[in-house]
Amino acid sequence: GNSVTQMEGPVTLSEEAFLTINCTYTATGYPSLFWYVQYPGEGLQLLLKATKADDKGSNKGFEATYRKETTSFHLEKGSVQVSDSAVYFCALSAAGGTSYGKLTFGQGTILTVHP
Amino acid sequence: SQTIHQWPATLVQPVGSPLSLECTVEGTSNPNLYWYRQAAGRGLQLLFYSVGIGQISSEVPQNLSASRPQDRQFILSSKKLLLSDSGFYLCAWSVFGSYEQYFGPGTRLTVT
Repeated sequence: GNSVTQMEGPVTLSEEAFLTINCTYTATGYPSLFWYVQYPGEGLQLLLKATKADDKGSNKGFEATYRKETTSFHLEKGSVQVSDSAVYFCALSAAGGTSYGKLTFGQGTILTVHP
Repeated sequence: SQTIHQWPATLVQPVGSPLSLECTVEGTSNPNLYWYRQAAGRGLQLLFYSVGIGQISSEVPQNLSASRPQDRQFILSSKKLLLSDSGFYLCAWSVFGSYEQYFGPGTRLTVT
């Protein structure tokens, strides 16, 4: 079946530091890949996505590249801010069959950014 | 633009009491709808999804049920709550045929 493994965390950084949160996946076929962010007490927000190999998703300074050869979709940001403190979820959506349209989530990575 | 609403925002219920959580979507037609549960602020578990009125698929056998009485309304219910039903319940929608899901603000349920 499909699965997503992401960096366990928690991750603690100082403001303006470089961020990497690792995400690898297992899936049949050609999944779409997503990063979602969850701020305290809120629902999940779609941060970025990539639908095919070598696609780069980007939003709000965050980037992730769909690497089919390494089955990875690592999240990066060059300079984090305190306001980026949240839980980050990597997810995949497999096409076709009984998995159509369903998202498989990683366990989430807590990011805390200090001033 | 599309919006998704969930209510109530928080709920404290005793063990053995019934449950009804509601989710509605505005600004779109015939969405796919999903119920997730999030325990301990981390991983999400898909509970139910629906591709149309009256069409419900259950992902995990449990104490809960779901219904979709109208195109843009999705209800999560239980006849008798268990302590293990506590958690953060999230509703989501997607455009039919699309992989992107959009989440509501969630309902925090505490069973005492």
